[in-house]
Amino acid sequence: RKEVEQDPGPFNVPEGATVAFNCTYSNSASQSFFWYRQDCRKEPKLLMSVYSSGNEDGRFTAQLNRASQYISLLIRDSKLSDSATYLCVVTPGAGSYQLTFGKGTKLSVIP
Amino acid sequence: SQTIHQWPATLVQPVGSPLSLECTVEGTSNPNLYWYRQAAGRGLQLLFYSVGIGQISSEVPQNLSASRPQDRQFILSSKKLLLSDSGFYLCAWGPPLAADTQYFGPGTRLTVL
Repeated sequence: RKEVEQDPGPFNVPEGATVAFNCTYSNSASQSFFWYRQDCRKEPKLLMSVYSSGNEDGRFTAQLNRASQYISLLIRDSKLSDSATYLCVVTPGAGSYQLTFGKGTKLSVIP
Repeated sequence: SQTIHQWPATLVQPVGSPLSLECTVEGTSNPNLYWYRQAAGRGLQLLFYSVGIGQISSEVPQNLSASRPQDRQFILSSKKLLLSDSGFYLCAWGPPLAADTQYFGPGTRLTVL
């Protein structure tokens, strides 16, 4: 089983749609969880951290289910500018310097 | 504010040639520094990280090496490039006490022919 698995997509959605991305991780000792955004041929940028209690930042909501080892990202009212690849990222354990990245899910928001 | 620079932005090199990619960080002291590679169709792979000058940890055995000659300078090198070394090389920095916080540079796109 891969360490971090994501549906590669692409997800093609119209403007204004709600879209959800899912991610599973294999290491039950994982401590920290993130969603990064990567535009085409650019570096990844931190979108948001993911907490067990769930967290929301504007149109973006992230959820973590430790029991199921599952992370989600919900984007409401999609904008054209949301088109990018969304990377699920996990740290293996306390004090680890290694971020484990999923391969990413590509989102295209269509006019 | 902190900024991270990488150069060159793009590079085309023949197989067997040497490689030197440079990364510098401004606006912070004693950062953790990282080198990642993103190959086509694959996720980001951590290659090296450093928590201080002269301290290098390697995550993946290969023909690449890294050095940290100064606090905010991180260099990725190879003596002889392979075709499989092609990819997008990303340097990242993070605060010294926050191992899971990393900020990426603009990257170097390397093509080995």
